[in-house]
Amino acid sequence: KAGVTQTPRYLIKTRGQQVTLSCSPISGHRSVSWYQQTPGQGLQFLFEYFSETQRNKGNFPGRFSGRQFSNSRSEMNVSTLELGDSALYLCASSSVLGGHEQYFGPGTRLTVT
Amino acid sequence: AQKVTQAQTEISVVEKEDVTLDCVYETRDTTYYLFWYKQPPSGELVFLIRRNSFDEQNEISGRYSWNFQKSTSSFNFTITASQVVDSAVYFCALSGELYNDYKLSFGAGTTVTVRA
Repeated sequence: KAGVTQTPRYLIKTRGQQVTLSCSPISGHRSVSWYQQTPGQGLQFLFEYFSETQRNKGNFPGRFSGRQFSNSRSEMNVSTLELGDSALYLCASSSVLGGHEQYFGPGTRLTVT
Repeated sequence: AQKVTQAQTEISVVEKEDVTLDCVYETRDTTYYLFWYKQPPSGELVFLIRRNSFDEQNEISGRYSWNFQKSTSSFNFTITASQVVDSAVYFCALSGELYNDYKLSFGAGTTVTVRA
């Protein structure tokens, strides 16, 4: 079974721009979560989607948004990029909602200049 | 609120030494799940183990073993006879059921360096 895939793997953007990251979960998995990893804040939860509905959201500003499609693929969008948004963005999928192991993708490394 | 504390920031050992990573958690949930993940230099988080709060049995998988003690809110991880390939950042994480909030709360991670 193919693992979680994320595209693109690397991205360089300028302050003020917006960016869209994509995540394809493991086949059959319906839950997709997004996490931000930075040296200063560590791994922080962004949001979780299940069956195209956002089930949970972390403490991030409204510039961070996401969605999930009927095939369970998910995208996250960050608008009006700030330098502090530079991070590794990790997507994880799980077969069901709630307490089960989440399998992570390789991440998208976003650099904002 | 959920909190995971990994007191050790970095551990350096020589190959074949045993290494134990500490993890202490806080939660108000009565049902919760504990995890360990490994993050090699490539960046991808690799799932190692999941434990639910009702299962306090210790587990061994090859050179890896886990000690879950509810009385001390700890879920420690031991690598026996470490190898260079074990060099990575290891994260302990917690997920609870309160308010259907299953997000993973991660500890800060412990960087393990195994020297040949």
